[in-house]
Amino acid sequence: SQQGEEDPQALSIQEGENATMNCSYKTSINNLQWYRQNSGRGLVHLILIRSNEREKHSGRLRVTLDTSKKSSSLLITASRAADTASYFCATDVTHDMRFGAGTRLTVKP
Amino acid sequence: EAQVTQNPRYLITVTGKKLTVTCSQNMNHEYMSWYRQDPGLGLRQIYYSMNVEVTDKGDVPEGYKVSRKEKRNFPLILESPSPNQTSLYFCASSFQGARQETQYFGPGTRLLVL
Repeated sequence: SQQGEEDPQALSIQEGENATMNCSYKTSINNLQWYRQNSGRGLVHLILIRSNEREKHSGRLRVTLDTSKKSSSLLITASRAADTASYFCATDVTHDMRFGAGTRLTVKP
Repeated sequence: EAQVTQNPRYLITVTGKKLTVTCSQNMNHEYMSWYRQDPGLGLRQIYYSMNVEVTDKGDVPEGYKVSRKEKRNFPLILESPSPNQTSLYFCASSFQGARQETQYFGPGTRLLVL
């Protein structure tokens, strides 16, 4: 069963705007990861945030984690057309990560 | 180049005809895993392997088999494929376990079972 659930399911913005995606999960976690997937391709790891961290940055990406609300957000600043992809959050469950259904981001040039 | 490879990339088959999808990684990773991806359901884990000769079921193991005889290879076997196994399959690996660190994903295998 899915652990993480992303919101919104789809997001369409103009190039240069910021994109925010949210992830909610159900059980306690040790860490949460965000992945990106270009259409029909393998997932690429973006960032990992541990349960004792509240915010993490990587280039134009900013991830926050609120363990009390069991939620995380991914912010992409100054978006580019090349950011068009699906974004997944994944939370750790026993020996593996459990993925949500993803947010489909479209950045229009 | 560090990578996870899968073969074939595309496969059309018929119900009941046994098939194997291969997965290989060149990063000396101990942990390997298979996922299937279906619209609206995200990725669901089929099987995983913590090391050679150590495999375990994921969320949706029914209808699948795996083996881990060598560290680098983790084939996925469908003994008698059925149409509900039509999906996009991904193999992934990481050094010691998906929880602690990044998983590296293969390019995917798109399977159609008629």
